[in-house]
Amino acid sequence: AQTVTQSQPEMSVQEAETVTLSCTYDTSESDYYLFWYKQPPSRQMILVIRQEAYKQQNATENRFSVNFQKAAKSFSLKISDSQLGDAAMYFCAYRFFGNEKLTFGTGTRLTIIP
Amino acid sequence: EAGVAQSPRYKIIEKRQSVAFWCNPISGHATLYWYQQILGQGPKLLIQFQNNGVVDDSQLPKDRFSAERLKGVDSTLKIQPAKLEDSAVYLCASNPMAGQGSTDTQYFGPGTRLTVL
Repeated sequence: AQTVTQSQPEMSVQEAETVTLSCTYDTSESDYYLFWYKQPPSRQMILVIRQEAYKQQNATENRFSVNFQKAAKSFSLKISDSQLGDAAMYFCAYRFFGNEKLTFGTGTRLTIIP
Repeated sequence: EAGVAQSPRYKIIEKRQSVAFWCNPISGHATLYWYQQILGQGPKLLIQFQNNGVVDDSQLPKDRFSAERLKGVDSTLKIQPAKLEDSAVYLCASNPMAGQGSTDTQYFGPGTRLTVL
């Protein structure tokens, strides 16, 4: 069974600084997708960034980028120039290519210090 | 484009009572999901529909939970009778593509927070 582990329950960063959230996963599959979702207090899960496992290039979306290490089964999220609006729970998620079921980690609560 | 709608946003019930949640996915989305998110955990898939058929309900506690998606659009998730451990946020999500191997993103609704006393 696939598992996703987020070892940092809480992180904090000064506004405008950079922070990295960690995620590791376990799978025997070679074709899969990895995601970072943001969940603000409103509870709505919002997709931040997506990575296809067959792509060697790390995904980037504006201030958000990932460091995908397939052999190490590691998928970290880097947030540059942190903003107050980035404060939220961040969930790492895995999806096998052959189905659409998402497996989530336990989340990291990110606090932005003004 | 309107997002995934869910109601109610909050519900408080006594244990052994029944409750129902409603979800309206984004128009045209073939696949619909119900997730349970217990406090301090990530969402866990309860059931996945493709149009009005069930694709995966392996983690749905079928002795008390039921779900339906009539006409392949709206969906209702019911709990009867509720237990204390059912206290959680119930999230609905939809996906525009049907079938395996879809690369499309799941779009989530705001969720329903259920408290069972």
